[in-house]
Amino acid sequence: EAGVTQSPTHLIKTRGQQATLRCSPISGHTSVYWYQQALGLGLQFLLWYDEGEERNRGNFPPRFSGRQFPNYSSELNVNALELEDSALYLCASSPRQGAYEQYFGPGTRLTVT
Amino acid sequence: SQQGEEDPQALSIQEGENATMNCSYKTSINNLQWYRQNSGRGLVHLILIRSNEREKHSGRLRVTLDTSKKSSSLLITASRAADTASYFCATALYNQGGKLIFGQGTELSVKP
Repeated sequence: EAGVTQSPTHLIKTRGQQATLRCSPISGHTSVYWYQQALGLGLQFLLWYDEGEERNRGNFPPRFSGRQFPNYSSELNVNALELEDSALYLCASSPRQGAYEQYFGPGTRLTVT
Repeated sequence: SQQGEEDPQALSIQEGENATMNCSYKTSINNLQWYRQNSGRGLVHLILIRSNEREKHSGRLRVTLDTSKKSSSLLITASRAADTASYFCATALYNQGGKLIFGQGTELSVKP
């Protein structure tokens, strides 16, 4: 069984640009979660999607947005990039809604210069 | 602010020794989970303990949960060099769906 995949592995952007990160969940998983792991700030919950809908959102500005497609893959968009957006962005999936274990992808390392 | 606080921040032991990591949290939880992260890569789920459980085992891992003290511990017995990683506790709250709130993590180093 293939695990959660994320692309790209690394992304380098300039301040003010937009970044798009992609995630494919494990087959059969409907819930997708996004987390940011920034140096000194730890792992912070960003967004949760299930069945194409945004179900919960962390304490991040609106320039962080995303969506979930009918095949349950997901996209995270970060607009108007700032230097402090540099971080490892992790995607996770779980088989259904609710407080269950999550399966993480390898992450996308975003660097904003 | 983080829900979970972990202690110690870093732990260095010899192969074969046991490693204990502690996690404290602030509000009532649905369950508490432990994850491992190798060298800034993706997280691997280790174990989930529900709020009505007190102890759980999985291989060399033993997790305890004390809801009265709002704390949990992860014990790794007979550690191996391959256990070297960062370990995170994460809490799932009621009515928050699958949202996890992570602690700052414990960096474990197991020397051969």
